[in-house]
Amino acid sequence: QKEVEQDPGPLSVPEGAIVSLNCTYSNSAFQYFMWYRQYSRKGPELLMYTYSSGNKEDGRFTAQVDKSSKYISLFIRDSQPSDSATYLCAMTINDMRFGAGTRLTVKP
Amino acid sequence: NAGVMQNPRHLVRRRGQEARLRCSPMKGHSHVYWYRQLPEEGLKFMVYLQKENIIDESGMPKERFSAEFPKEGPSILRIQQVVRGDSAAYFCASSPFWAPGPKETQYFGPGTRLLVL
Repeated sequence: QKEVEQDPGPLSVPEGAIVSLNCTYSNSAFQYFMWYRQYSRKGPELLMYTYSSGNKEDGRFTAQVDKSSKYISLFIRDSQPSDSATYLCAMTINDMRFGAGTRLTVKP
Repeated sequence: NAGVMQNPRHLVRRRGQEARLRCSPMKGHSHVYWYRQLPEEGLKFMVYLQKENIIDESGMPKERFSAEFPKEGPSILRIQQVVRGDSAAYFCASSPFWAPGPKETQYFGPGTRLLVL
């Protein structure tokens, strides 16, 4: 079993839809949880990070962590074509563990 | 403030040759991380370095791979006697302090895509 599981998709939604991206993990020692966005042929860029269970909102993005279920989510409201990218979850104790990434396409 | 720089962006090598990948961290950052990304897979941690020191190389293959971050100049990831399985995108990230933490996180470069023929 991988430490971090993420459905690779691909996921295709119409513009304006609410997108839900998820990861599960097996190691309860993970402390920090992050979401990265990676455009094609580019390096990952940090979108959001959280430390504890609960929700964190930043504009159209909401990150959710449920440590009891070992489950994290990223919600994108009012999705735009410019949101089309691969979204990677990451979590860490001493070094970072990444999910495989979910490829998202938002169609105009 | 320039971001993390990596060069070359694309590198083609024949089996048995050496590959040298360079990473210049963001200005003021003294911590460098190298990751490998295979198609349809997430980033895999390889090595974490500070200036002149390897802090954690637990993710790096024991043979053929080495990394350094000298006092002056970029960090270098070196792959000797490359094999086809080394073909991947190699990303470098830097941070000003030990990451992870809520304030100091890792900033990624654009990556070097290595193709071994």
